[in-house]
Amino acid sequence: EVQLLESGGGLAQPGGSLRLSCAASGFTFSRYAMSWVRQAPGKGLEWVSGIGRNGGSTYYADSVKGRFTISRDNSNNMLFLQMDSLRGEDTALYYCTKDQVLEPSEGEFDMWGQGTMVTVSS
Amino acid sequence: SYELTQELSVSVSPGQTASFTCSGDKLGDKYVSWYQQKPGQSPVLVIYQDVKRPSGIPERFSGSNSGNTATLTISGTQGMDEADYYCQAWDSTTGYVFGSGTKVTVL
Repeated sequence: EVQLLESGGGLAQPGGSLRLSCAASGFTFSRYAMSWVRQAPGKGLEWVSGIGRNGGSTYYADSVKGRFTISRDNSNNMLFLQMDSLRGEDTALYYCTKDQVLEPSEGEFDMWGQGTMVTVSS
Repeated sequence: SYELTQELSVSVSPGQTASFTCSGDKLGDKYVSWYQQKPGQSPVLVIYQDVKRPSGIPERFSGSNSGNTATLTISGTQGMDEADYYCQAWDSTTGYVFGSGTKVTVL
């Protein structure tokens, strides 16, 4: 069974940091690009960051560029998102997603995790 | 940055056809995907590469894309189709982009 399981969410103070993790199983992790997509409470979907299958190419939304870092460990089928300099507007449910292509490009997200909630508040 | 625009809401009677759109500059030159999200659940891919249905998605879901507009059509709409629907495309400058979502109500 294909599964994406996120962890690492929680409460952080403005200016603080959190590291999200996503454990993938049921497919050949190293063959696909991966992304993080977030959804603020009651709002729509927002793509945050994507990474190519080898980790050599990374992409970020302007809203998080310079503050968030995406990475992956293909040996352990793990995806990560290091979030620094957190702001109130980063409060959202963060989904780990599997792309159907090798590199973030003309692709789509065919698998989604259940999400991990990040709340930024003092 | 690239933007996708969707209708806020659509209402449809059971058994009827629901169509709603996603608009963006030269969207027809890009691949468009559509996601269904029910309350409290993760999104599910229902259409990709404009017209393709993933395994397990009913045939009543279909898509098209031309010019500046992509369309998702649900034929013979059922109560279980009530959900939020998001379009998505890739832009070389912006990255992945989602539309703001259309809420489909089956009355």
